[in-house]
Amino acid sequence: DVKVTQSSRYLVKRTGEKVFLECVQDMDHENMFWYRQDPGLGLRLIYFSYDVKMKEKGDIPEGYSVSREKKERFSLILESASTNQTSMYLCASSRGGGPQHFGDGTRLSIL
Amino acid sequence: AQRVTQPEKLLSVFKGAPVELKCNYSYSGSPELFWYVQYSRQRLQLLLRHISRESIKGFTADLNKGETSFHLKKPFAQEEDSAMYYCALSGYNTDKLIFGTGTRLQVFP
Repeated sequence: DVKVTQSSRYLVKRTGEKVFLECVQDMDHENMFWYRQDPGLGLRLIYFSYDVKMKEKGDIPEGYSVSREKKERFSLILESASTNQTSMYLCASSRGGGPQHFGDGTRLSIL
Repeated sequence: AQRVTQPEKLLSVFKGAPVELKCNYSYSGSPELFWYVQYSRQRLQLLLRHISRESIKGFTADLNKGETSFHLKKPFAQEEDSAMYYCALSGYNTDKLIFGTGTRLQVFP
């Protein structure tokens, strides 16, 4: 069974802090994704990566960056957290052409 | 523009009633369509994809290219079907997904 693990279920940070969200998958998937999930807006893609050190912007990349130094790990970075980045963040992974498998999510609050 | 539309935010039915969750899409080409489900306190998971043509937990979905729709149907709803349902599409030669805004299904006893 595919396991996608996000490092924190809940996180509280302050405005202006640099925030790291970590995601690890154990199935050697090429693709990894970061979404934010907001009521009434569904899931919106922030960034995705199709290989180590490769990344592409999604629909809402502003204020975020990512890092993929190893195939199994994909990090989302909020360079300077703002209150409008309070949200649920979901990580997913997939094999090329296969369905996406999601983690449990990180509920991030920016105060 | 590529878009997935789920017109209903909330759908409430009684146990045993038929269910249809609507999904319409906009895509210039041949997309692949998916339904994902998120039960309370659980992770988002794949329910079905149109290329599989499967019935999962009694749910089916048929891709109608003429109407650009991929509605999710079940003839007799169960209480355990209560969840958030998302329709999604991926385009040709990409693994990115475009999600709809989701429909919450409530099944009352």
